[in-house]
Amino acid sequence: DTGVSQNPRHKITKRGQNVTFRCDPISEHNRLYWYRQTLGQGPEFLTYFQNEAQLEKSRLLSDRFSAERPKGSFSTLEIQRTEQGDSAMYLCASSRYGSSTNEKLFFGSGTQLSVL
Amino acid sequence: GENVEQHPSTLSVQEGDSAVIKCTYSDSASNYFPWYKQELGKRPQLIIDIRSNVGEKKDQRIAVTLNKTAKHFSLHITETQPEDSAVYFCAVKAAGNKLTFGGGTRVLVKP
Repeated sequence: DTGVSQNPRHKITKRGQNVTFRCDPISEHNRLYWYRQTLGQGPEFLTYFQNEAQLEKSRLLSDRFSAERPKGSFSTLEIQRTEQGDSAMYLCASSRYGSSTNEKLFFGSGTQLSVL
Repeated sequence: GENVEQHPSTLSVQEGDSAVIKCTYSDSASNYFPWYKQELGKRPQLIIDIRSNVGEKKDQRIAVTLNKTAKHFSLHITETQPEDSAVYFCAVKAAGNKLTFGGGTRVLVKP
């Protein structure tokens, strides 16, 4: 499968715990995006990388959230001191900036987080 | 920031009829308008997109039209089939490099 891969698919945690999600983009894609989606809503932008550089973060993103893409390939999203309001589907997407199709985002299947 | 509104939130059509979903946006600098289809429990999948220098694009039974002056664009699905049942999201890319999504339309095609 050469699509965007996310792990784990599901995560159940207790309030106050830290969680980390991983995203592996399509191999030739240099841009990687994180979105959050709650039930019945559209995906909400969190942050994005071009190669290893984090170029934009949503102003709505709490400082409990941090993302990295250390080698410009896979990325991790960490949420510290989780709250019940963090329960959502966390989606990763990638694109190939600089190509004729650079705006096309391809999504992974997401990580469903449940905070108890 | 960009504001994207999508209507209707739910749409029920008889198999074979057409479905139309409309989105409006706020930033006149927006230049890219994709549509995604999301089936229950699955990833959003790009089904069609259009750039601001084009007014209409068609791919088999689906088409997108763009009215830059009025700042709205629409998805048209003709000859609907049960497998078209899903949630559809419009999105907009403005001067930044991120997509802003609408709230989604749940489409149900009744056999």
